[in-house]
Amino acid sequence: DVKVTQSSRYLVKRTGEKVFLECVQDMDHENMFWYRQDPGLGLRLIYFSYDVKMKEKGDIPEGYSVSREKKERFSLILESASTNQTSMYLCASSFGGYGGYTFGSGTRLTVV
Amino acid sequence: GIQVEQSPPDLILQEGANSTLRCNFSDSVNNLQWFHQNPWGQLINLFYIPSGTKQNGRLSATTVATERYSLLYISSSQTTDSGVYFCAVISGGSYIPTFGRGTSLIVHP
Repeated sequence: DVKVTQSSRYLVKRTGEKVFLECVQDMDHENMFWYRQDPGLGLRLIYFSYDVKMKEKGDIPEGYSVSREKKERFSLILESASTNQTSMYLCASSFGGYGGYTFGSGTRLTVV
Repeated sequence: GIQVEQSPPDLILQEGANSTLRCNFSDSVNNLQWFHQNPWGQLINLFYIPSGTKQNGRLSATTVATERYSLLYISSSQTTDSGVYFCAVISGGSYIPTFGRGTSLIVHP
């Protein structure tokens, strides 16, 4: 089975801190994605990447950046964390154009 | 873009009951998946089912692509089935899925 691993399950950070959320997949998937999930708003796409060093903005990229230096790793960066970035962050990967998605276990980030 | 509607939005069952969750979509799809989000927040893939019928234990799914809907059946429900069930589709030339709003299921002992 494909495994998608997110580095932290729970994270508490202070306003203004630089925050790194890491995601690693072990099945050589081309595509990787970062979502955030908030009550009543469903899953919203932040950024995605279809190849190493390639990235595309999703629906809500403001306040975030990403890095994909290696195929298996996709990092989400909050340059200066704010309280409105308190959320559940979910990473996913998929193979090819229409391949099935696999999600990581999620990171609950609280910014205080 | 494609629209995905799930019904019902909320469902409460007694342990042992059966249920059917529905996902309607507005255009042809290349991929359709059902996910279960457990109370800890993890999204677990249940079925990859752009068409046809699949079964896995007490769960089964059917997608009728020509009529643009998919059904998820849960039989003999257990408390561990509680959580939110999402349908996600990929259509057209995109490989970004569109998610439904989910069905929240609570199974009481």
